[in-house]
This record gives sequence, structure tokens and C-alpha cells, in this order.
Amino acid sequence: EIVLTQSPATLSLSPGERATLSCRASQSVSSYLAWYQQKPGQTPRLLIYDASNRATGIPARFTGSGSGTDFTLTISSLEPEDFAVYYCQHRSNWPWTFGQGTKVEIK
Amino acid sequence: QVQLVESGGGVVQPGRSLRLSCAASGLTFSSYAMHWVRQAPGKGLEWVAVIWYDGTNKYYADSVKGRFTISRDNSKNTLFLQMNSLRAEDTAVYYCARDLYRGYDMGTVEYWGQGTLVTVSS
Repeated sequence: EIVLTQSPATLSLSPGERATLSCRASQSVSSYLAWYQQKPGQTPRLLIYDASNRATGIPARFTGSGSGTDFTLTISSLEPEDFAVYYCQHRSNWPWTFGQGTKVEIK
Repeated sequence: QVQLVESGGGVVQPGRSLRLSCAASGLTFSSYAMHWVRQAPGKGLEWVAVIWYDGTNKYYADSVKGRFTISRDNSKNTLFLQMNSLRAEDTAVYYCARDLYRGYDMGTVEYWGQGTLVTVSS
């Protein structure tokens, strides 16, 4: 099973700041990596698929990058609605797994 | 718009069974792989099972293999999860989810249902 390790566990930032979230895979997942956002009491929302493709309706301030084992989700300028938990997830081979999540909180 | 509505959750004793259903609308159900993903209270996400768009293949997490069965009825746009021999650690919100891609390319969730809570407790 491929393990995805997200860092940091918590990111404390202010609105308008840049957020950089990391996801590291225990072995290569090629570009088969997605990012999801989950707000309290809500279902997850797909942000990025296949490492760098924004899902439908996702603002341009969200950017995904990386391949192999190291991936990054960047939020260029945090909006109030971006404070949430973010999960990475691979689909390289079964079982598909999620990272443990990074919480982006208001500083 | 795409709607996925789960039902069948509730409180059940350890060792008992429960069947979840997911009614899909607003999408070409039979063209997409479908998934069950769960989230224990206050925890992260765990993939439970996936079924191919045509039902020909299914994968399960090791934690549920041999106890859970995923199935679908494409004529009724409905996904199921039969859960047997339930354990306390199966307590979670269970989400029905539709894949991003049509056909055999799969493994990314584009649409999620609102989830149904399963609580396993004596």
C-alpha cells in the first residue's frame, strides 16, 4: 500500500497569504494524484486531479504541481473560504489512499 | 445537476448487518465507476470499495474485504453496499461517490453524496 504523508499537519496563515501544502508518496504514483478540500460539516470537494489539472469551477488561485513522489498544492492568496482541511489522494494502484490531511487555519 | 443520495445508515450492534443504498440522478450512471468512501468521526478519508462502470470488477479495502460487498443496478441508477459482520471500527460516515472519468480510467472522485452515518455499538 502506498502511504501519502502530508505536511505540515496544520498551517496557520492570514487571508491574502500564500499557502504551500506538501504531499509525499512512499513510492512513485506518477501523476495520479488529486487534492480535495473539506470544510467542517461538508463533503469533500475535488480541487486538482492528475497532479495539476483544476477541476471544474475551481478558482485559478489553486495550483497543483509535482510528479513521482513529491507534490504541492499552492493557494496563491488565501480567501476566507479557503480555510479548511486539504487531502491528497493517489490512484496509481489499488488500494487508492488518502493522506492524513493538512488543516489550513486562520492565524 | 448530479445528485447522489445515500440511505440505510443507522445504529447497529456489532456482528450485525446493514445495507446502504445510493440513488443517483442527473448523470449517466452506467458510464462511471462508483465508490464508497468513509470517514470516521473526526478522522480522515478511507476508500472502502469501488465497482467498475459495468459491474464487472470490484476492489475492496483490506479492512472490509470478505465482510462488505459493493454492487450496482444500472437500470435503477442505484449503488449498494452490503455490510456484514460489522465492527465498532466501521463506525463512520459513508459517502457514495462518482468517478471523474468514464469507463475504465478511474480513481478520482468528482461528485460526493452527503453521506450516511453508520454507528456500530452495543
